[in-house]
Amino acid sequence: AQSVTQLGSHVSVSEGALVLLRCNYSSSVPPYLFWYVQYPNQGLQLLLKYTTGATLVKGINGFEAEFKKSETSFHLTKPSAHMSDAAEYFCAVSDQGDSWGKFQFGAGTQVVVTP
Amino acid sequence: DTGVSQDPRHKITKRGQNVTFRCDPISEHNRLYWYRQTLGQGPEFLTYFQNEAQLEKSRLLSDRFSAERPKGSFSTLEIQRTEQGDSAMYLCASRDVYNEQFFGPGTRLTVL
Repeated sequence: AQSVTQLGSHVSVSEGALVLLRCNYSSSVPPYLFWYVQYPNQGLQLLLKYTTGATLVKGINGFEAEFKKSETSFHLTKPSAHMSDAAEYFCAVSDQGDSWGKFQFGAGTQVVVTP
Repeated sequence: DTGVSQDPRHKITKRGQNVTFRCDPISEHNRLYWYRQTLGQGPEFLTYFQNEAQLEKSRLLSDRFSAERPKGSFSTLEIQRTEQGDSAMYLCASRDVYNEQFFGPGTRLTVL
């Protein structure tokens, strides 16, 4: 069975500082990995995903994540936080193949950006 | 293409009442997913359809829950005899053949 652990339910960063959100997964087979962002009272928006190929994945809004198989991690980073990055972020895994799209989500990390 | 839409966006009901939510996926997306998100948690998978066929149901989907996708277009999720524990955000998502998945804005259910 798959599971996703996001370390830290709340993260506070200063505007312009590095954003680092941690995600570790467990899966019996190589999974597909995703980061989603959710603004208040809205649905989920895809930031980036890893399926195959290059392990450093670039997404929207300046975010990127690196798949490290040996560490079973997929941490999300952004070099310089902006006030608009305040939101909740979810890491998710999905099996490959026919089960693609049936996601297992982490509990989420709420990001607060301070001036 | 306006994305995945869900109706209503908010629903307040009394315990014991039945409620039905609708999801309109992006046209020509053959897969449609339902998730439930409770406060402070990530979304949890409920069920999914390929066209009109319901292919999998989570154990979270008790007998009070039923989902349909007639004609393989829009989908409905009905909850019978609602309980306070059903209060949550219900999210719908659809996927195309290129494996891009899009989420709707969700329906927030409050059971009093």
